[in-house]
Amino acid sequence: DIQMTQSPSSLSASIGDRVTITCRASQSIRNYLNWYQQKLGKAPKLLIYAASSLQSGVPSRFSGSGSGTDFTLTISSLQPEDFATYYCQQSFSTPLTFGQGTKLEIK
Amino acid sequence: QVQLQESGPGLVKPSETLSLTCTVSGGSISSYYWTWIRQSPGKGLEWIGYMYHSGSTNYNPSLKNRVTISIDTSRNQISLKLNSVTAADTAVYYCARMEWESLKYWVDPWGQGTLVTVSS
Repeated sequence: DIQMTQSPSSLSASIGDRVTITCRASQSIRNYLNWYQQKLGKAPKLLIYAASSLQSGVPSRFSGSGSGTDFTLTISSLQPEDFATYYCQQSFSTPLTFGQGTKLEIK
Repeated sequence: QVQLQESGPGLVKPSETLSLTCTVSGGSISSYYWTWIRQSPGKGLEWIGYMYHSGSTNYNPSLKNRVTISIDTSRNQISLKLNSVTAADTAVYYCARMEWESLKYWVDPWGQGTLVTVSS
């Protein structure tokens, strides 16, 4: 199985901050990488697919980059509704696997 | 827009079979992959498996001997059965649609999820 490791596991930030979350795969997954946002008690929501493609309806302050084994999710200017947990997920091979999550909290 | 709703017992006894149904509204089951994913505090998000509308399946090897996903196109429903459950199968279970482009897959949208507790 491909292991996905996110860092940091938790992060405190302020409104307006630029935030970067990283995701590392245990082997190359080209750009077969997706990012999801999950708020407490809700299902995950797709933000970014294929490493850098913004899902329709997702604010442009979210962006993704990377290829191979190292990927980043960037929020350019944090808004109150962005405080949530973020997960990466690889679709290069089955079993599909997720990172352990990064919890973004208000400083 | 497509919406998914999971349903089924919230409590299952150890060694019994967990059975869930996902009803799809606002769109057809045809021409998509449909997947089940679960989330427990101890193991995070775990992919269970997916099924194409035509019937082909792919299961997580960690669950392969116990899991069956099926589709009823006439009812626009996807079903999950997990046999011989233990407390480790306690989780929120999500059904979701998988989209793809150039062999890349992603999960969207997701159902709201349903909590299943395994306990006697």
